[in-house]
Amino acid sequence: GEDVEQSLFLSVREGDSSVINCTYTDSSSTYLYWYKQEPGAGLQLLTYIFSNMDMKQDQRLTVLLNKKDKHLSLRIADTQTGDSAIYFCAERTSWGKLQFGAGTQVVVTP
Amino acid sequence: SQTIHQWPATLVQPVGSPLSLECTVEGTSNPNLYWYRQAAGRGLQLLFYSVGIGQISSEVPQNLSASRPQDRQFILSSKKLLLSDSGFYLCACSKSGYMNTEAFFGQGTRLTVV
Repeated sequence: GEDVEQSLFLSVREGDSSVINCTYTDSSSTYLYWYKQEPGAGLQLLTYIFSNMDMKQDQRLTVLLNKKDKHLSLRIADTQTGDSAIYFCAERTSWGKLQFGAGTQVVVTP
Repeated sequence: SQTIHQWPATLVQPVGSPLSLECTVEGTSNPNLYWYRQAAGRGLQLLFYSVGIGQISSEVPQNLSASRPQDRQFILSSKKLLLSDSGFYLCACSKSGYMNTEAFFGQGTRLTVV
């Protein structure tokens, strides 16, 4: 099975906050990432967090890391229609291999 | 920053035909390179990764192979395509070494095997 797990779908109303959750298994992971994929396109890095941090904020994005539970979350404040996409959580293992989750499809409704 | 060129963008191939997808990287040397497949628009599966020229690791048994003939060139191949090889293929690169912070992705190749 996959080493990184995410819920598959999230529906959120425009203007509300979105929270996407992810769990990983490799305790030696050094970096954890959130990528965004819009329809028919490649992946774009949104943000990342180093494993010795608990939180990182970047404008509307907040990343929370619970290293003990191996749990990562991405919060998007004031969600907009342009935020509709698939969001991938990924972990970087010791030498640099990137392991992705299955992706969470976020649908923003008016 | 790094730039990844991946082509073609779309490809329709008959069952049993060969495949060659190419990916080249600019802006960095000795990168880690990856091939991912995304089937049916979901789930990014790591197929191959490479830490250097001629060094290929396969993640899953399959009908595909990969090669890295040059430092910044990564090729995905098949001798005979199967219907199940259809999908969206993404090439990615990241800096080698411990302090990596970001991976860059190509725009992907949508392969349809008919």
